[in-house]
This record gives sequence, C-alpha cells and structure tokens, in this order.
Amino acid sequence: DARVTQTPRDKVTEMGQEVTMRCQPILGHNTVFWYRQTMMQGLELLAYFRNRAPLDDSGMPKDRFSAEMPDATLATLKIQPSEPRDSAVYFCASGASGSKNEQFFGPGTRLTVL
Amino acid sequence: GESVGLHLPTLSVQEGDNSIINCAYSNSASDYFIWYKQESGKGPQFIIDIRSNMDKRQGQRVTVLLNKTVKHLSLQIAATQPGDSAVYFCAEKGAGGTSYGKLTFGQGTILTVHP
Repeated sequence: DARVTQTPRDKVTEMGQEVTMRCQPILGHNTVFWYRQTMMQGLELLAYFRNRAPLDDSGMPKDRFSAEMPDATLATLKIQPSEPRDSAVYFCASGASGSKNEQFFGPGTRLTVL
Repeated sequence: GESVGLHLPTLSVQEGDNSIINCAYSNSASDYFIWYKQESGKGPQFIIDIRSNMDKRQGQRVTVLLNKTVKHLSLQIAATQPGDSAVYFCAEKGAGGTSYGKLTFGQGTILTVHP
C-alpha cells in the first residue's frame, strides 16, 4: 500500500529555532507539493516540484522558508528561524504528472512554535 | 484570548439522506476540478475529479456537477453514511505552464452525518 510519509508527525519548538520537515513521496511519482493548513488561511500551496526541479514557490515566505528535493525519494521543507505564526499543519503530497489529477497527501507534520 | 478563524460552511444530515456540497470557483481557465475529503487528523484524500469540458461525472455514491456559466461545482453523496463525516474541499487545477498540476483549494465544508 503505497503512501506518502512525513516526519516528524509532531514538532514543538521555540521561536528562532530551525525546523526541518521531511517527506518521502510515493515511489514513481514525479511531482511533489508542500502545503500549509491553518484555521485562518485554510490549505495553502507553499512549493511545487516536478522531476525534483522547483516549479513554483511563490506561496512560500522566501526569507525564512526553503524547500528542496535532494533526491527523488526525499523532499524537505526548512524554516529558519521559526516564528509563532509558522504554527500550522504542513502537508506533503505527491502525484504523477500527466492526465492523472490525484495528489496523494501524507499525514502531515503538526508544527507548534512557542 | 479569542481565536478567529475561517467560518466554514456546515452541513448536517441524517444517515441515509443524500448530501449536496457546493463550491464556487474563480478561475475559468482551470482544466480540472477536484473534490477532496479530509478526516480529522489526516491529510486530504482524493474523491473525484471532472474535466472542464464536462458537466457531470459519477463515481461510487458520488456525483460531481460543473456549471461553468456560474462557476459553480457541487458534490452529491448518495445514502450518506457516518463515515462520510469530514471536511470537503473543492480544488481547481492549473491548466498549463508553471501552473500545470497546481491545485488551488477552496475553504472547505464541514459535513456531519448523524446516525
């Protein structure tokens, strides 16, 4: 049963600390998405990769957020320094480009910045 | 202090009734429209999609209707079950270029099914 995995599932940290969230997309999927979900803003797209290349990161605060795909099996989202307003659930999703529209979401990382 | 958040539309139905969840979209250039279901503590899960050149598509117990004239999308769930209780999101898929494959999500509707 292929699934997107995310680590950690929960992260509590203090303001100013670096946070790294990791995602393993489903094997064979060539598109990877990072989303942030909050009560205030709902589900927002932060960054989007196709074949490991960043296609769109316009939704991401550039000064503190960075997203990378070191290889096809790992996507990372880093926040440095973290701030309380970054508290949210961060989802990674993967999909196969082409005619299929289904994005498979991971379970999310719940981030709390104190 | 008081927290302020999105006030999501809510729909409460009895088990066995049919449910209709509505969504208004903004981008007439989107080539696909998609419905996702999100259960508490989980990531969104794909339900069904519809291409922009179609008006209706049926799946198992679900039907999606697209009205491009008024930019309106609906999800109909037949014989709603308690397991259908979740937040339902509509999403538009970008048509091309760097927008290809990019989803823009609506704010969601909370569906509660009472036994």
